[in-house]
Amino acid sequence: AQSVTQLDSHVSVSEGTPVLLRCNYSSSYSPSLFWYVQHPNKGLQLLLKYTSAATLVKGINGFEAEFKKSETSFHLTKPSAHMSDAAEYFCVVSGWNTGFQKLVFGTGTRLLVSP
Amino acid sequence: NAGVTQTPKFRVLKTGQSMTLLCAQDMNHEYMYWYRQDPGMGLRLIHYSVGEGTTAKGEVPDGYNVSRLKKQNFLLGLESAAPSQTSVYFCASSSADRVNQPQHFGDGTRLSIL
Repeated sequence: AQSVTQLDSHVSVSEGTPVLLRCNYSSSYSPSLFWYVQHPNKGLQLLLKYTSAATLVKGINGFEAEFKKSETSFHLTKPSAHMSDAAEYFCVVSGWNTGFQKLVFGTGTRLLVSP
Repeated sequence: NAGVTQTPKFRVLKTGQSMTLLCAQDMNHEYMYWYRQDPGMGLRLIHYSVGEGTTAKGEVPDGYNVSRLKKQNFLLGLESAAPSQTSVYFCASSSADRVNQPQHFGDGTRLSIL
């Protein structure tokens, strides 16, 4: 079975400071992992994905994530937050379940960015 | 470049009414999915389809039906709406049957059942 735990329900940062959103996963085999972002009243947009190539994955809008197998973590970071980064972020593990791709979503982390 | 389009965007229903949510994708994807999103619970899979004319149950299928008569469209039906079905519904599609392929999401339908 696969599972995802997002360690913070809310993260508050000031504009221009670093962002860290934490995600731990559990998987019985080498996982595929995604980060999605959801802005208010919008759908989920793919930020980046890990698929067993490089452990440091770069995504859109300056975000990146590092896959650490020993820690079963896939934390999302950005060096400098922008007001437009305020949104909800979901860590997702992808698996295969008897004929279809099963995505297991974390419960989300809401990022608040203050001026 | 529309991607995944959901209609309607908002709807209010009374208990017992029926309705159909429409999802259309223009990426020629084989796989399509319906999810519901509830506060603090992430997204949960309702039904999915691996191709035209096929559908299957996901994690929370009770109270919903689906149809995939055309490859680009995936319909979600509520036959007799209940307040517990108040939620945000998302449709998604993907191109391949591999775990490393991301799913592409629509903007959602916000449904309230009174």
